[in-house]
Amino acid sequence: EIVLTQSPGTLSLSPGERATLSCRASQSVSSSSLAWYQQKPGQAPRLLMYGASSRATGIPDRFSGSGSGTDFTLSISRLEPEDFAVYYCQQYGSSPGSFGQGTKLEIK
Amino acid sequence: EVQLLESGGGLVQPGGSLRLSCAASGFNFYLAMSWVRQAPGKGLEWVSVISNNGGTTYYADSVEGRFTISRDNSKNTLYVQMNSLRAEDTAVYYCATSRGSGWVHGGYLESWGQGTLVTVSS
Repeated sequence: EIVLTQSPGTLSLSPGERATLSCRASQSVSSSSLAWYQQKPGQAPRLLMYGASSRATGIPDRFSGSGSGTDFTLSISRLEPEDFAVYYCQQYGSSPGSFGQGTKLEIK
Repeated sequence: EVQLLESGGGLVQPGGSLRLSCAASGFNFYLAMSWVRQAPGKGLEWVSVISNNGGTTYYADSVEGRFTISRDNSKNTLYVQMNSLRAEDTAVYYCATSRGSGWVHGGYLESWGQGTLVTVSS
């Protein structure tokens, strides 16, 4: 089973700043089968990125994803107030599919 | 507009059973579909996936042998039958569309329902 470790656990930033979130896999993720989700309190997760670097429909271009193999990154270029939430990475390249433990992005 | 509406959650005693439903509308339902759960205050856990025609299913080890995923494409509805429930099955259960060639491992989860809470307690 692939274990995904996200860092940092909590990231404190101000609106307008750049955020960089990390997701490290215990084994190589095949075919860059890596997705990112955003979840706000009381809401279902929302797909942001898939295939490591493809934005989902309707996702603003301030969100970008990169990486391959075991190291992946979600970047948010200029934080908007609505971006403060919990972010999860997920691998779907091998069984069982798995999620990271999440990074909480909070307002500084 | 894509809509996924889960129902069937509630309070059940340990060892009991529950069946969740997910009614889909606004899109072609002939897609792989998954169940994902989230224990209170915790992260996400993929539970199960079913192919578009219902012929292939996969489960997380934590529910294998206890949960059964199924679908009725004539009703645009996804199900999960949950037996031998344990306290650690307490969670919000979401249904989601599973996309991409990695759907057999859950795929990337494009559209989500709002979830239904299952509480296993005596």
